[in-house]
Amino acid sequence: EDKVVQSPLSLVVHEGDTVTLNCSYEVTNFRSLLWYKQEKKAPTFLFMLTSSGIEKKSGRLSSILDKKELFSILNITATQTGDSAVYLCATLAGGKLIFGQGTELSVKP
Amino acid sequence: NAGVTQTPKFRILKIGQSMTLQCAQDMNHNYMYWYRQDPGMGLKLIYYSVGAGITDKGEVPNGYNVSRSTTEDFPLRLELAAPSQTSVYFCASSRGQWAMQETQYFGPGTRLLVL
Repeated sequence: EDKVVQSPLSLVVHEGDTVTLNCSYEVTNFRSLLWYKQEKKAPTFLFMLTSSGIEKKSGRLSSILDKKELFSILNITATQTGDSAVYLCATLAGGKLIFGQGTELSVKP
Repeated sequence: NAGVTQTPKFRILKIGQSMTLQCAQDMNHNYMYWYRQDPGMGLKLIYYSVGAGITDKGEVPNGYNVSRSTTEDFPLRLELAAPSQTSVYFCASSRGQWAMQETQYFGPGTRLLVL
């Protein structure tokens, strides 16, 4: 059975901290891994990763995929209270998105 | 463009009632999807459609039906509501089958409570 597992499930940090969110997967016909940010509404797209070892960056956020270890991380540096959200990892496999359970990040002032 | 729109935003149903969740997109996307998200969980795919007249089951299709008579609309039908269907429902669409940098566009969600 295809599965995507995220860790930790929840995380509380202070502004300025750096956090690393983890996503591991076991899926057949893997094509890509995606990260989303969800703030009390619909998810918004962050990154799509298809190739191993190539880091994608957007401001303070970055992500990388390891297709050998079936693993991806999402890094957020110098966290701000506006980063508080649920971060969802999903794999694109067989034409469908399979989501992990999400990591709830809370950034305290 | 309005993007992906969903109605209603919130609904309370009694056990055994039926209802249709509406989803529409104005981006001429071929692919449309229905997900449900239970509290503290990720999204689970219910049904998806690759074009008008074509639908297929996702991960959790039981208790739901869909139709896709036009490119724009993809309604989700609950025939006999059960408490286990209490959830937030998201509709999404995408242009095609996942070219590089392709992504799904999500609607704002419908919160459904079955009592």
